[in-house]
Amino acid sequence: AQSVAQPEDQVNVAEGNPLTVKCTYSVSGNPYLFWYVQYPNRGLQFLLKYITGDNLVKGSYGFEAEFNKSQTSFHLKKPSALVSDSALYFCAVRDIPSRSTLGRLYFGRGTQLTVWP
Amino acid sequence: DGGITQSPKYLFRKEGQNVTLSCEQNLNHDAMYWYRQDPGQGLRLIYYSQIVNDFQKGDIAEGYSVSREKKESFPLTVTSAQKNPTAFYLCASSIVSGGTGELFFGEGSRLTVL
Repeated sequence: AQSVAQPEDQVNVAEGNPLTVKCTYSVSGNPYLFWYVQYPNRGLQFLLKYITGDNLVKGSYGFEAEFNKSQTSFHLKKPSALVSDSALYFCAVRDIPSRSTLGRLYFGRGTQLTVWP
Repeated sequence: DGGITQSPKYLFRKEGQNVTLSCEQNLNHDAMYWYRQDPGQGLRLIYYSQIVNDFQKGDIAEGYSVSREKKESFPLTVTSAQKNPTAFYLCASSIVSGGTGELFFGEGSRLTVL
């Protein structure tokens, strides 16, 4: 079964320090991987995605993520955190459509990132 | 600007009442989705539609109903059969279902049952 795990409910980091939000996945075949961010009482905003190719993906607002197939991970990173990065972050995986699956998107439970001044 | 519009932003309902949440998109996307968000539980799929006049149940469809009469619109009805309807509801769309494209989300509708 397809699944996504975000092992940390909360991540706290000081402004200016690097941040990492972890994500591991389980999917049959090669995955499509996504990161989204959600600010309070708002919808989700797309940050970046991995489809194929370079394992390091760059996205919006200075975020990047590294795809590691052997560790089935897709951790979100930023070299220097900002207070305005404080939000809820979701990792998601989509399995490639086949006869038995429609290619649904599966979300993790989310990680609350807090960046303090 | 293209996007997804959800209304109302906030909604209060008495127990036993049905309520309909609106979702409209002008992105010309074929696929549309409804998710429910509860604290600490991430997003759970209620219904999705890959094309007009067709939709499928997600993981938690009981107590909900949808229609897809137009490409742009995918309203969600929360019926009185839904035992715990208080939640934040998110509508999303994508170019097609199951492709490489990301989902675009609306701003959400917060339903509170009194």
